[in-house]
Amino acid sequence: AQTVTQSQPEMSVQEAETVTLSCTYDTSENNYYLFWYKQPPSRQMILVIRQEAYKQQNATENRFSVNFQKAAKSFSLKISDSQLGDTAMYFCAFLFIDSNYQLIWGAGTKLIIKP
Amino acid sequence: DAGVTQSPTHLIKTRGQQVTLRCSPKSGHDTVSWYQQALGQGPQFIFQYYEEEERQRGNFPDRFSGHQFPNYSSELNVNALLLGDSALYLCASSSVSPGRASATRTDTQYFGPGTRLTVL
Repeated sequence: AQTVTQSQPEMSVQEAETVTLSCTYDTSENNYYLFWYKQPPSRQMILVIRQEAYKQQNATENRFSVNFQKAAKSFSLKISDSQLGDTAMYFCAFLFIDSNYQLIWGAGTKLIIKP
Repeated sequence: DAGVTQSPTHLIKTRGQQVTLRCSPKSGHDTVSWYQQALGQGPQFIFQYYEEEERQRGNFPDRFSGHQFPNYSSELNVNALLLGDSALYLCASSSVSPGRASATRTDTQYFGPGTRLTVL
């Protein structure tokens, strides 16, 4: 069975600090995408960053970057210079490219940025 | 460029009733996926529609059904509502065309604001 595990139910850091959210997954497939989504109190699920499993280079989007370790099946998200607006639930998810078109989700990590 | 839209925002129903939720995909997208998100949990996949057909279905009973229209918009119908159906229902759109090379596909799913369904 394919599963996604986010081992940190809640984290809090001071504004401007760097924080890393962890995610591990289990699959026997080789061809998939990995995603981090954030869901603020407004409930809108917003894409943060995406990583193609066939790419070795870690994806980066402004203050957000990932550490993708395919052999270890690990996909952590690093947020640099954290801002109050980063306060949200963060979900890790993956999607198989050629079959099974559903996103498989973790349980989420609640991130609180303190002023 | 309009993103994914959903209606209504909130809905209150009683047990046994039926409900219809609506979704319009992002411009240029042809695929719609529906997810149920219970409070404090990650989303669970209900089903996905492509070319007006249900292409993939998650572990949900037949009370959950859907439809996709020629303009790619979609509806989610839930019959015989149960208290446990209370959740946030998320619609996501993407462009996933079978046969396209991986480098040109846009499998990323973009989400609407959701519909909060409360069953009393």
